[in-house]
Amino acid sequence: GAVVSQHPSRVICKSGTSVKIECRSLDFQATTMFWYRQFPKQSLMLMATSNEGSKATYEQGVEKDKFLINHASLTLSTLTVTSAHPEDSSFYICSARDSTGALARDTIYFGEGSWLTVV
Amino acid sequence: GNSVTQMEGPVTLSEEAFLTINCTYTATGYPSLFWYVQYPGEGLQLLLKATKADDKGSNKGFEATYRKETTSFHLEKGSVQVSDSAVYFCALSYGNNRLAFGKGNQVVVIP
Repeated sequence: GAVVSQHPSRVICKSGTSVKIECRSLDFQATTMFWYRQFPKQSLMLMATSNEGSKATYEQGVEKDKFLINHASLTLSTLTVTSAHPEDSSFYICSARDSTGALARDTIYFGEGSWLTVV
Repeated sequence: GNSVTQMEGPVTLSEEAFLTINCTYTATGYPSLFWYVQYPGEGLQLLLKATKADDKGSNKGFEATYRKETTSFHLEKGSVQVSDSAVYFCALSYGNNRLAFGKGNQVVVIP
């Protein structure tokens, strides 16, 4: 079964509102999680590295004030898309690194992804 | 920079056929290389990996060899099954466990 869970799997929101996506590691602790975005027929693009207890590290070109990342516990990271616009519609995927070896040390596990549609 | 290129388009083939999916990369340094698979409705799963030149990763009948001279990591399987239908992503790692992915290839195996 899944070891990284994302919620919601699909969400539709109105333009201008904010939406939160959760990423949970189910059977291990993750000091590091990653958020990716995938547009249709494009590669997964790394948006940011989420670090437990500290600020996220954003990739070049990703607006940190628009894509808020919070990693408040060792099993949960959240991505909040603020003031969403239709161009933010995409498939968002998280991954988590098994920090302690509960499953397999340093192995990265992916969530099932979340479809965001902004109307 | 770091990037991965996969062959264009979906791949459709008959059961027991030979599968090849091409993957080439551009990287600074010597990255580890990966193939991930995504079955319908599931998250990406690591299929195989190779950490240095000439290494061969293998799993579930799939193989890929890290070729530094051609900067390639092509995925092969000698006899595919319907259950191999999925999307396959080639990826490389670059610093602090970050991954750069190719666009992915949809593989459809027909009985």
